[in-house]
Amino acid sequence: DARVTQTPRHKVTEMGQEVTMRCQPILGHNTVFWYRQTMMQGLELLAYFRNRAPLDDSGMPKDRFSAEMPDATLATLKIQPSEPRDSAVYFCASGLGTGLGGLFFGEGSRLTVL
Amino acid sequence: GIQVEQSPPDLILQEGANSTLRCNFSDSVNNLQWFHQNPWGQLINLFYIPSGTKQNGRLSATTVATERYSLLYISSSQTTDSGVYFCAVPLTNAGKSTFGDGTTLTVKP
Repeated sequence: DARVTQTPRHKVTEMGQEVTMRCQPILGHNTVFWYRQTMMQGLELLAYFRNRAPLDDSGMPKDRFSAEMPDATLATLKIQPSEPRDSAVYFCASGLGTGLGGLFFGEGSRLTVL
Repeated sequence: GIQVEQSPPDLILQEGANSTLRCNFSDSVNNLQWFHQNPWGQLINLFYIPSGTKQNGRLSATTVATERYSLLYISSSQTTDSGVYFCAVPLTNAGKSTFGDGTTLTVKP
């Protein structure tokens, strides 16, 4: 059963600490998205990659957030330093580059920054 | 960019009732998707439906691309149908991903 896998599922950290979230897309999917969901903002697109190349990260705070795809089976989202306002659920999704077939979401990483 | 509007924002039903959720989009799209976010936060694919009609059990969806709307039908609703239903254009021609604000459905026993 193909699925998008995200780790960690839950993370509690203190302000100023580095946080790294990981995502394994579905095998064969060449597009990976990072979203953030909060009660106030709904689902926000942070960044997305096609064939491991970043296509759009305009939704991401550049000073503290970074997203990479070291290889086709791993995408990472890093926050350094973390702040309380970063508390949210971070979702990874993968799909085909054309959008055909739609997106498939991981279960999310719930981040709490104290 | 493409705007996605969903209605109604909130819906409360008695178990067994039927409902229709609507999604309007501002421009032509070649991909459209419905998701259900359950009370545990999981985003579950319901339909990938850029056009036409699909059915899956008690749920069905219709997209009329020429008129820029999509409908999600839920029949004989169950308490497990509760949650937020999102309509989304996963990838627009401009390379953006756009979600509606969702319809929050509460099904009461």
